[in-house]
Amino acid sequence: EAQVTQNPRYLITVTGKKLTVTCSQNMNHEYMSWYRQDPGLGLRQIYYSMNVEVTDKGDVPEGYKVSRKEKRNFPLILESPSPNQTSLYFCASSLESRSSYNEQFFGPGTRLTVL
Amino acid sequence: AQSVAQPEDQVNVAEGNPLTVKCTYSVSGNPYLFWYVQYPNRGLQFLLKYITGDNLVKGSYGFEAEFNKSQTSFHLKKPSALVSDSALYFCAVTPQGGYSTLTFGKGTMLLVSP
Repeated sequence: EAQVTQNPRYLITVTGKKLTVTCSQNMNHEYMSWYRQDPGLGLRQIYYSMNVEVTDKGDVPEGYKVSRKEKRNFPLILESPSPNQTSLYFCASSLESRSSYNEQFFGPGTRLTVL
Repeated sequence: AQSVAQPEDQVNVAEGNPLTVKCTYSVSGNPYLFWYVQYPNRGLQFLLKYITGDNLVKGSYGFEAEFNKSQTSFHLKKPSALVSDSALYFCAVTPQGGYSTLTFGKGTMLLVSP
Protein backbone atom coordinates (compact mmCIF):
# COMPACT_ATOMS: atom_id res chain seq x y z
CA GLU A 1 0.00 0.00 0.00
CA ALA A 2 1.32 3.43 -0.99
CA GLN A 3 1.69 5.46 2.15
CA VAL A 4 3.59 7.92 4.30
CA THR A 5 4.33 6.65 7.78
CA GLN A 6 5.35 8.61 10.86
CA ASN A 7 6.62 7.48 14.21
CA PRO A 8 5.80 7.94 16.97
CA ARG A 9 2.15 8.90 16.63
CA TYR A 10 2.04 10.39 20.11
CA LEU A 11 4.89 11.72 22.21
CA ILE A 12 5.06 13.50 25.54
CA THR A 13 8.48 14.82 26.49
CA VAL A 14 10.16 17.44 28.63
CA THR A 15 11.87 20.67 27.72
CA GLY A 16 15.37 20.21 26.38
CA LYS A 17 15.28 16.48 25.72
CA LYS A 18 16.31 15.83 22.13
CA LEU A 19 13.83 13.90 20.02
CA THR A 20 13.41 12.64 16.48
CA VAL A 21 10.18 12.04 14.59
CA THR A 22 10.68 9.67 11.69
CA CYS A 23 8.95 9.89 8.32
CA SER A 24 9.11 7.35 5.54
CA GLN A 25 7.37 7.06 2.16
CA ASN A 26 7.23 4.05 -0.16
CA MET A 27 6.20 5.84 -3.35
CA ASN A 28 9.67 6.85 -4.60
CA HIS A 29 8.67 10.50 -4.25
CA GLU A 30 11.29 13.19 -4.77
CA TYR A 31 9.69 15.85 -2.62
CA MET A 32 9.12 15.59 1.12
CA SER A 33 8.01 18.17 3.66
CA TRP A 34 7.20 18.73 7.31
CA TYR A 35 4.28 20.83 8.56
CA ARG A 36 2.94 21.74 11.93
CA GLN A 37 -0.77 22.26 12.55
CA ASP A 38 -1.96 24.57 15.30
CA PRO A 39 -5.55 25.64 16.05
CA GLY A 40 -6.52 28.76 14.14
CA LEU A 41 -3.25 28.79 12.19
CA GLY A 42 -3.78 25.99 9.70
CA LEU A 43 -0.71 24.17 8.41
CA ARG A 44 2.65 25.89 8.35
CA GLN A 45 5.66 24.45 6.59
CA ILE A 46 8.74 23.76 8.68
CA TYR A 47 11.25 22.31 6.21
CA TYR A 48 11.12 20.68 2.82
CA SER A 49 13.38 18.57 0.64
CA MET A 50 13.50 18.56 -3.14
CA ASN A 51 15.60 15.38 -3.26
CA VAL A 52 18.34 13.48 -1.45
CA GLU A 53 20.77 15.81 0.32
CA VAL A 54 18.69 18.86 -0.68
CA THR A 55 16.75 20.55 2.12
CA ASP A 56 15.43 24.07 2.64
CA LYS A 57 13.63 26.12 5.25
CA GLY A 58 9.91 26.63 5.18
CA ASP A 59 7.96 29.31 7.02
CA VAL A 60 8.70 28.23 10.62
CA PRO A 61 12.08 26.44 10.74
CA GLU A 62 13.37 27.79 14.08
CA GLY A 63 14.11 25.04 16.58
CA TYR A 64 13.99 22.22 14.03
CA LYS A 65 16.46 20.28 11.92
CA VAL A 66 15.99 17.78 9.12
CA SER A 67 18.09 15.47 7.00
CA ARG A 68 17.54 13.60 3.75
CA LYS A 69 20.19 10.92 3.42
CA GLU A 70 17.87 8.49 1.64
CA LYS A 71 15.03 9.20 -0.75
CA ARG A 72 12.40 7.46 1.36
CA ASN A 73 13.23 8.97 4.78
CA PHE A 74 12.95 12.52 6.09
CA PRO A 75 13.33 12.70 9.87
CA LEU A 76 12.45 15.80 11.89
CA ILE A 77 14.81 16.56 14.76
CA LEU A 78 14.13 18.77 17.74
CA GLU A 79 17.51 19.31 19.41
CA SER A 80 16.12 21.11 22.47
CA PRO A 81 12.32 21.04 22.47
CA SER A 82 10.37 23.84 24.11
CA PRO A 83 6.69 24.07 25.10
CA ASN A 84 5.91 26.29 22.09
CA GLN A 85 6.73 23.30 19.89
CA THR A 86 3.76 21.44 21.29
CA SER A 87 1.77 20.78 18.13
CA LEU A 88 0.47 18.26 15.62
CA TYR A 89 3.13 17.44 13.03
CA PHE A 90 2.58 16.09 9.54
CA CYS A 91 5.03 14.71 7.04
CA ALA A 92 4.07 14.82 3.36
CA SER A 93 5.52 13.74 0.05
CA SER A 94 4.82 14.32 -3.64
CA LEU A 95 6.01 12.84 -6.87
CA GLU A 96 8.46 15.39 -8.20
CA SER A 97 10.02 18.66 -7.27
CA ARG A 98 10.30 20.44 -10.56
CA SER A 99 6.77 21.74 -10.41
CA SER A 100 4.31 22.51 -7.69
CA TYR A 101 1.21 21.01 -9.30
CA ASN A 102 1.57 17.55 -7.81
CA GLU A 103 -0.69 16.82 -4.89
CA GLN A 104 0.93 15.93 -1.59
CA PHE A 105 0.37 12.70 0.33
CA PHE A 106 0.25 13.15 4.08
CA GLY A 107 1.23 10.91 6.94
CA PRO A 108 -1.15 10.25 9.86
CA GLY A 109 0.41 12.88 12.10
CA THR A 110 2.46 12.99 15.29
CA ARG A 111 0.99 14.71 18.31
CA LEU A 112 3.85 16.15 20.35
CA THR A 113 3.52 17.60 23.83
CA VAL A 114 6.51 19.33 25.41
CA LEU A 115 6.18 19.91 29.15
CA ALA B 1 4.01 36.50 -0.73
CA GLN B 2 1.12 34.16 -1.40
CA SER B 3 -1.81 33.76 0.97
CA VAL B 4 -5.12 31.97 1.36
CA ALA B 5 -8.22 33.17 3.17
CA GLN B 6 -10.98 30.87 4.34
CA PRO B 7 -13.42 33.37 5.79
CA GLU B 8 -15.60 30.89 7.67
CA ASP B 9 -14.29 28.95 10.65
CA GLN B 10 -17.32 26.69 10.47
CA VAL B 11 -20.04 25.88 7.96
CA ASN B 12 -23.23 24.14 9.04
CA VAL B 13 -25.50 22.43 6.56
CA ALA B 14 -28.26 19.86 6.72
CA GLU B 15 -27.82 16.50 5.04
CA GLY B 16 -29.09 16.56 1.48
CA ASN B 17 -28.60 20.30 1.07
CA PRO B 18 -25.91 21.81 -1.14
CA LEU B 19 -22.74 23.00 0.54
CA THR B 20 -20.15 25.65 -0.22
CA VAL B 21 -16.83 26.20 1.54
CA LYS B 22 -15.24 29.47 0.52
CA CYS B 23 -11.63 30.18 -0.40
CA THR B 24 -9.93 33.26 -1.80
CA TYR B 25 -6.26 33.54 -2.60
CA SER B 26 -3.46 35.93 -3.40
CA VAL B 27 -0.49 34.89 -5.52
CA SER B 28 1.91 36.36 -8.06
CA GLY B 29 0.95 35.19 -11.52
CA ASN B 30 -1.29 32.23 -12.18
CA PRO B 31 -2.09 29.80 -9.37
CA TYR B 32 -2.24 26.12 -8.75
CA LEU B 33 -5.07 25.58 -6.26
CA PHE B 34 -5.85 22.60 -4.06
CA TRP B 35 -8.45 21.39 -1.61
CA TYR B 36 -7.59 18.91 1.11
CA VAL B 37 -9.82 17.29 3.74
CA GLN B 38 -8.88 16.16 7.23
CA TYR B 39 -11.07 13.68 9.08
CA PRO B 40 -10.73 13.41 12.88
CA ASN B 41 -7.40 11.92 13.98
CA ARG B 42 -6.25 11.50 10.39
CA GLY B 43 -3.81 13.15 8.04
CA LEU B 44 -4.89 15.39 5.18
CA GLN B 45 -6.29 13.80 2.06
CA PHE B 46 -6.21 15.36 -1.40
CA LEU B 47 -9.66 16.21 -2.82
CA LEU B 48 -9.05 18.11 -6.04
CA LYS B 49 -6.83 20.63 -7.77
CA TYR B 50 -6.92 23.33 -10.40
CA ILE B 51 -3.96 23.47 -12.77
CA THR B 52 -5.29 25.02 -15.96
CA GLY B 53 -8.18 24.73 -18.38
CA ASP B 54 -11.78 24.19 -17.30
CA ASN B 55 -12.71 26.44 -14.40
CA LEU B 56 -14.93 23.75 -12.88
CA VAL B 57 -12.85 21.00 -11.34
CA LYS B 58 -14.34 17.70 -10.20
CA GLY B 59 -12.74 15.70 -7.41
CA SER B 60 -13.22 12.86 -4.97
CA TYR B 61 -16.43 12.01 -3.07
CA GLY B 62 -18.64 14.15 -5.36
CA PHE B 63 -16.90 17.43 -4.55
CA GLU B 64 -16.17 20.08 -7.12
CA ALA B 65 -14.62 23.53 -7.08
CA GLU B 66 -14.95 26.55 -9.31
CA PHE B 67 -11.94 28.66 -10.17
CA ASN B 68 -12.77 32.34 -10.64
CA LYS B 69 -9.74 34.34 -11.71
CA SER B 70 -11.37 37.77 -11.53
CA GLN B 71 -12.55 37.16 -7.97
CA THR B 72 -9.42 35.19 -7.02
CA SER B 73 -11.63 32.50 -5.55
CA PHE B 74 -11.74 28.72 -5.53
CA HIS B 75 -14.88 27.72 -3.62
CA LEU B 76 -15.52 24.07 -2.82
CA LYS B 77 -19.02 22.77 -3.54
CA LYS B 78 -21.13 19.66 -3.35
CA PRO B 79 -24.73 19.38 -4.56
CA SER B 80 -25.95 17.16 -1.73
CA ALA B 81 -24.12 16.98 1.61
CA LEU B 82 -23.67 13.77 3.59
CA VAL B 83 -23.14 13.45 7.35
CA SER B 84 -19.88 11.68 6.51
CA ASP B 85 -18.64 14.87 4.80
CA SER B 86 -18.21 16.44 8.24
CA ALA B 87 -14.51 17.25 8.48
CA LEU B 88 -11.95 20.04 8.35
CA TYR B 89 -11.30 21.42 4.87
CA PHE B 90 -8.17 23.25 3.77
CA CYS B 91 -7.62 25.34 0.67
CA ALA B 92 -4.02 25.77 -0.55
CA VAL B 93 -2.25 27.79 -3.24
CA THR B 94 1.12 27.89 -4.96
CA PRO B 95 2.21 29.95 -7.99
CA GLN B 96 2.67 28.32 -11.36
CA GLY B 97 6.14 28.14 -12.86
CA GLY B 98 8.95 26.20 -11.25
CA TYR B 99 8.78 25.10 -7.65
CA SER B 100 7.31 27.11 -4.80
CA THR B 101 6.03 26.20 -1.39
CA LEU B 102 2.37 25.42 -0.81
CA THR B 103 0.49 27.87 1.41
CA PHE B 104 -2.56 26.62 3.30
CA GLY B 105 -5.55 28.46 4.64
CA LYS B 106 -6.54 28.12 8.29
CA GLY B 107 -9.21 25.57 7.53
CA THR B 108 -13.01 25.45 7.65
CA MET B 109 -14.88 22.95 9.77
CA LEU B 110 -17.86 21.53 7.89
CA LEU B 111 -20.64 20.09 10.06
CA VAL B 112 -23.41 18.23 8.29
CA SER B 113 -26.41 17.49 10.48
CA PRO B 114 -28.75 14.52 9.91
